[in-house]
Amino acid sequence: QQQVKQSPQSLIVQKGGISIINCAYENTAFDYFPWYQQFPGKGPALLIAIRPDVSEKKEGRFTISFNKSAKQFSLHIMDSQPGDSATYFCAASGHGSSNTGKLIFGQGTTLQVKP
Amino acid sequence: DGGITQSPKYLFRKEGQNVTLSCEQNLNHDAMYWYRQDPGQGLRLIYYSQIVNDFQKGDIAEGYSVSREKKESFPLTVTSAQKNPTAFYLCASSLGAGGNQPQHFGDGTRLSIL
Repeated sequence: QQQVKQSPQSLIVQKGGISIINCAYENTAFDYFPWYQQFPGKGPALLIAIRPDVSEKKEGRFTISFNKSAKQFSLHIMDSQPGDSATYFCAASGHGSSNTGKLIFGQGTTLQVKP
Repeated sequence: DGGITQSPKYLFRKEGQNVTLSCEQNLNHDAMYWYRQDPGQGLRLIYYSQIVNDFQKGDIAEGYSVSREKKESFPLTVTSAQKNPTAFYLCASSLGAGGNQPQHFGDGTRLSIL
C-alpha cells in the first residue's frame, strides 16, 4: 500500500512534442505529490508538486493532472525540448505516524527528447 | 548560497571496511534524509532524522548507521555488514518533518567496491 507505480520506464519524444508520465498510488493517506527531475550525476530537483484539493497545476511547460478517485497523477511536458532529457520521478507522502516526512518514490522515467 | 553538500563525490570501499559519507546543509532545515539509488529503481529511504539527536530507520536501514549531533550535519556510515553497498547515495533535507514539506537534495556520493 506504500508503493507508487510509475510508467513508462523510458520515453522518447520528438522536440516540440508532449511528454506524458503516469503514476498510481494505493495509500489514501497520501496528500502531497511532487515530481522531481534528475540529470546524470546530480541529485533530484523539485520540479512541481500538487495537493489533492486541486485537479491540475501548471508551471510553465510543466503540468500535473491529478485524479483523486482513480488515485492517479501524471506529468505533462508541453513543447518538449532536448534540455528536458532527464530522469523524472513521481513521489507521494502523507500524514499519519507511518507516513510523516517520508517520500515514497516511483521507479523513475528516463526521457529522451530528440532534436 | 544555501544548499546541501555531499562529500566525497566518489568513494571506494574495500572488503570488511566501514566508510562514512558526509552530508552538510546550511538551509537551517530540521529534517534530513538518506536515500539509496540503484539503476532503474526509485530512491529508497535508508534513515531519516526529524530533529537533532534523533533519527529513525527507513525501509532499508540494515548495514547502515547514522548520527545527528548537529542540525547541519547528518553523516551516513556504510558498514561491512552491508553486503551490496555499490550505489548512488543521496542526502536530502526539508524545513520540517511533516508530510508536504519539499525535500532538497545534494548531488550524491557514488560508492563502489574495490
